[in-house]
Amino acid sequence: EAQVTQNPRYLITVTGKKLTVTCSQNMNHEYMSWYRQDPGLGLRQIYYSMNVEVTDKGDVPEGYKVSRKEKRNFPLILESPSPNQTSLYFCASSPIKGTNTGELFFGEGSRLTVL
Amino acid sequence: GIQVEQSPPDLILQEGANSTLRCNFSDSVNNLQWFHQNPWGQLINLFYIPSGTKQNGRLSATTVATERYSLLYISSSQTTDSGVYFCAGLTSGTYKYIFGTGTRLKVLA
Repeated sequence: EAQVTQNPRYLITVTGKKLTVTCSQNMNHEYMSWYRQDPGLGLRQIYYSMNVEVTDKGDVPEGYKVSRKEKRNFPLILESPSPNQTSLYFCASSPIKGTNTGELFFGEGSRLTVL
Repeated sequence: GIQVEQSPPDLILQEGANSTLRCNFSDSVNNLQWFHQNPWGQLINLFYIPSGTKQNGRLSATTVATERYSLLYISSSQTTDSGVYFCAGLTSGTYKYIFGTGTRLKVLA
């Protein structure tokens, strides 16, 4: 089954404790991206990657890191989480078609609470 | 930056009613899509519709890229249609996605 898998789905942590949210897709997509969803602010893009070793900032990259060492994986790293990073996080992937992407597919979301 | 406005922001329908949701972009976007976020938070793909019209069962969508808007039609609504509907697109000339503000739909039995 074609899917985007995120882990963990739920996490409660404390300020300053490094954490990684993993994202893996089995559709051989070149494009992968991370989003956060907050009440009243909608979905905002954090980082995206066009392919292995190619990443770029979205609209809200502060406090996050990403890496793309393999095509299928795109982990989101919070080096020193703070309470304002409490949010619902989504990973997504899509193929690259010429100078555009194709249809975007989302993972099931990871709900993160930073105390 | 580009603004994406969805209307109406909230909508309450009786089961069986029809509705039209609108997505307006302040500038050109590519790869317009519609998503449904169900009450469990999952984002479900509805339509990938950069232009033209598509239909899938009771749902259909139309994008008029030259006029920077897209419409989502829901006919004979069901309680399972409840949730939040988002449109999204690629900011033209970039690989950054921007999402609309969402329409929260509640369908009453």
